[in-house]
Amino acid sequence: SQQGEEDPQALSIQEGENATMNCSYKTSINNLQWYRQNSGRGLVHLILIRSNEREKHSGRLRVTLDTSKKSSSLLITASRAADTASYFCATDPLIQGAQKLVFGQGTRLTINP
Amino acid sequence: DGGITQSPKYLFRKEGQNVTLSCEQNLNHDAMYWYRQDPGQGLRLIYYSQIVNDFQKGDIAEGYSVSREKKESFPLTVTSAQKNPTAFYLCASKRTDSYNEQFFGPGTRLTVL
Repeated sequence: SQQGEEDPQALSIQEGENATMNCSYKTSINNLQWYRQNSGRGLVHLILIRSNEREKHSGRLRVTLDTSKKSSSLLITASRAADTASYFCATDPLIQGAQKLVFGQGTRLTINP
Repeated sequence: DGGITQSPKYLFRKEGQNVTLSCEQNLNHDAMYWYRQDPGQGLRLIYYSQIVNDFQKGDIAEGYSVSREKKESFPLTVTSAQKNPTAFYLCASKRTDSYNEQFFGPGTRLTVL
């Protein structure tokens, strides 16, 4: 089952602008993660935010988590052409021993030079 | 170099044939996963294994089979019972004592002729 829903499905911006992607989910979680996928490649882990955290930074990435609204956002600042990719949120459900992630549908980000 | 390898990169199958996709990791991870990705979509979990000689069905296990005889290897067989097998298949692994961050292989694109 697909727990995460991402918004927008596609986003096209100019190089240097900021990109914001949103993720909503349905059940309680241990943590939420963001992954990047370049076309035809595997996923790469970007950042993990735990359920007791509200904001986390990693380089040009900023992730927020609102567990009351069951939502998260990923902000990429000062975008570059190399940021062109699909971005997926993945939730780690609060189910004992689950050891599996539930992925959203993804946001396709295009950075125009 | 440590990582996950998948082979082959591209695979063509005739209808009615079984095919096996290879996934090998040298990260000493206990847990391994198989996902299916359709064009423009997120990842759906096929099977996962948390320990050698044990595995569990994911959300879309019908028409697929796996084995986990060695820690390093988690092959996926796409059987003739899978009615629509054309897709991109991704293998991942993780440490069971981690926060569930998964490491992905480069993927295998399967096409049924």
